[in-house]
Amino acid sequence: QVQLVDSGGGVVQPGGCLRLSCTTSEFSFNTCGMHWVRQAPGRGLEWVAVIWSDGRHDFYADSVRGRFTISRDDSKNTLFLQMSSLRDDDTAIYYCVRERAAYDGFDIWGRGTQVTVSS
Amino acid sequence: QSALTQPPSASGSPGQSVTISCTGTSSDVGRYKYVSWYQQHPGKAPKLIIYEVNNRPSGVPDRFSGSKSGNTASLTVSGLQAEDEADYYCNSYAGNNNWVFGTGTTVTFL
Repeated sequence: QVQLVDSGGGVVQPGGCLRLSCTTSEFSFNTCGMHWVRQAPGRGLEWVAVIWSDGRHDFYADSVRGRFTISRDDSKNTLFLQMSSLRDDDTAIYYCVRERAAYDGFDIWGRGTQVTVSS
Repeated sequence: QSALTQPPSASGSPGQSVTISCTGTSSDVGRYKYVSWYQQHPGKAPKLIIYEVNNRPSGVPDRFSGSKSGNTASLTVSGLQAEDEADYYCNSYAGNNNWVFGTGTTVTFL
């Protein structure tokens, strides 16, 4: 079974920064769109960001635009989510997710990494 | 972008069928064929069970089926089994490189 390994979560104070990472040895990130999806405690899923297979286009949910940046290092086949100006409501499990086909569903999910924003 | 609307809970007896609705707008569910469904067990990552409205990935039982009419998509689980107790989320592409999830539905046995 194809695996995504996401990491980098932790506890950070409001206003702080954190960088999440995601990697796999089983396919190349430059062949598909890659997303981050989050889930706050006891809540539903929320789409966060996408980076296209070309690596040059990235898009964000309104709730994180201007504070989060999705990027990729193709030499290491690693996906990142740089998070800044963190707020209490950013507390969630963050999942690295592969897009099955253009715009069409998320077929591979990481196990998730916990981000807690708290003073 | 507002979340798609799902009922908070749905239930059925083992062997019966349960149907979950997912209501969006003409800008998401009603406009695109890119509606997908996910199953999530407690403490686990979600799993894709339906994509493009009514297609099942390899390995997903044919007890799971999807459909769409207008701005509402539906997931039907037929022949309910113990392992089907879980949370279910719909998702739709909403244009302009934006995706929206449903509010989630917890399926339990009666």
